[in-house]
Amino acid sequence: GQQLNQSPQSMFIQEGEDVSMNCTSSSIFNTWLWYKQDPGEGPVLLIALYKAGELTSNGRLTAQFGITRKDSFLNISASIPSDVGIYFCAGHPRAGGTSYGKLTFGQGTILTVHP
Amino acid sequence: NAGVTQTPKFQVLKTGQSMTLQCAQDMNHEYMSWYRQDPGMGLRLIHYSVGAGITDQGEVPNGYNVSRSTTEDFPLRLLSAAPSQTSVYFCASSRQGGDTQYFGPGTRLTVL
Repeated sequence: GQQLNQSPQSMFIQEGEDVSMNCTSSSIFNTWLWYKQDPGEGPVLLIALYKAGELTSNGRLTAQFGITRKDSFLNISASIPSDVGIYFCAGHPRAGGTSYGKLTFGQGTILTVHP
Repeated sequence: NAGVTQTPKFQVLKTGQSMTLQCAQDMNHEYMSWYRQDPGMGLRLIHYSVGAGITDQGEVPNGYNVSRSTTEDFPLRLLSAAPSQTSVYFCASSRQGGDTQYFGPGTRLTVL
């Protein structure tokens, strides 16, 4: 099945540094989502984006819905040890197509934060 | 609200055994789905439902059955377990349309 191109695959950073990751697709999406998954847990929704160009923040997290509808990025500012985990992007297509109702996920970015 | 709940949390099966993974949500969501997560493969959609009585196949449906008799529940059945079905299984739910999906804690299944 189709996968989003998420990068980087992994990041090793020092506490306090800023983090940036992104997802790109050859398809247009109507919704972009960013999830975080802790070890042994299910993905937790961080930010949902519904409009091209939209910039949304959730605490130290900021995400943007690309103007072309084919990309999105997530920034984490002033990282802390509890930011450790796997971050996934996901896209949802527009209504009317055969893929409607099906999320497409990126492969994930593994984030390690050194104290 | 408990959100999305899944049982059991862990399960070990022998090849050929059958079992049902349970999923329930209390958010009155129309849309529910099942994913499997394997190392290096990300999350792959198995089956989904846009409402009670309506189900459809996802990316990897073979070996799995689903039914949706109520809005709240969406069980996943393995009729004859195979080692290739060893994985972590996540259930998710969403309002109508299936865009903003909320995930359960997962079931870790091992098939010997």
